[in-house]
Amino acid sequence: GAGVSQSPSNKVTEKGKDVELRCDPISGHTALYWYRQSLGQGLEFLIYFQGNSAPDKSGLPSDRFSAERTGGSVSTLTIQRTQQEDSAVYLCASSLGPDSTYEQYFGPGTRLTVT
Amino acid sequence: AQSVTQLDSHVSVSEGTPVLLRCNYSSSYSPSLFWYVQHPNKGLQLLLKYTSAATLVKGINGFEAEFKKSETSFHLTKPSAHMSDAAEYFCVVSAANTGNQFYFGTGTSLTVIP
Repeated sequence: GAGVSQSPSNKVTEKGKDVELRCDPISGHTALYWYRQSLGQGLEFLIYFQGNSAPDKSGLPSDRFSAERTGGSVSTLTIQRTQQEDSAVYLCASSLGPDSTYEQYFGPGTRLTVT
Repeated sequence: AQSVTQLDSHVSVSEGTPVLLRCNYSSSYSPSLFWYVQHPNKGLQLLLKYTSAATLVKGINGFEAEFKKSETSFHLTKPSAHMSDAAEYFCVVSAANTGNQFYFGTGTSLTVIP
């Protein structure tokens, strides 16, 4: 079956521009996560959506970052006024639900380069 | 609080020799533990997971890991390395009190020498 998909796969933008990254989770998965992976680093949690509950935004690094999930499915991560330190691979994952035993399925990521 | 420490940032083994990637965790609640693999320019793939059942967990591609509560460890092993095992490996912990939030280690890069 279809896995998690993300678009675009690569994005190059100029400092100060806004960018939108898209994630399509696996059908039926109620939980959706965004992570950031900088070069040589582990994954940094950004935000978590579960069903219709208010999202857990505790990982967002600044108010330039926001995300929404429409209809409990597709999610968009928006970065406003991009900075060079925002350059990273942004990964989306989904899982069946909030149970800690459920594995997360990851998309291929969006590589963001801010010049 | 949950956290994971991967004790080696880089491991190098010869093809056909055993692999050991070390992971220690910290968790206030009964943890679920996972190992993921990331090949170059590829997405993260689940290797195996522990969720309070059998302490010795077998995964894909001949990998296995043993949950040792007394040592707070979840080391990943494989009896015989293959060239295709060269990748980045991440140990991950989650716990019931944090919903399904994953806490990732910083990764171990495995090199396999022919």
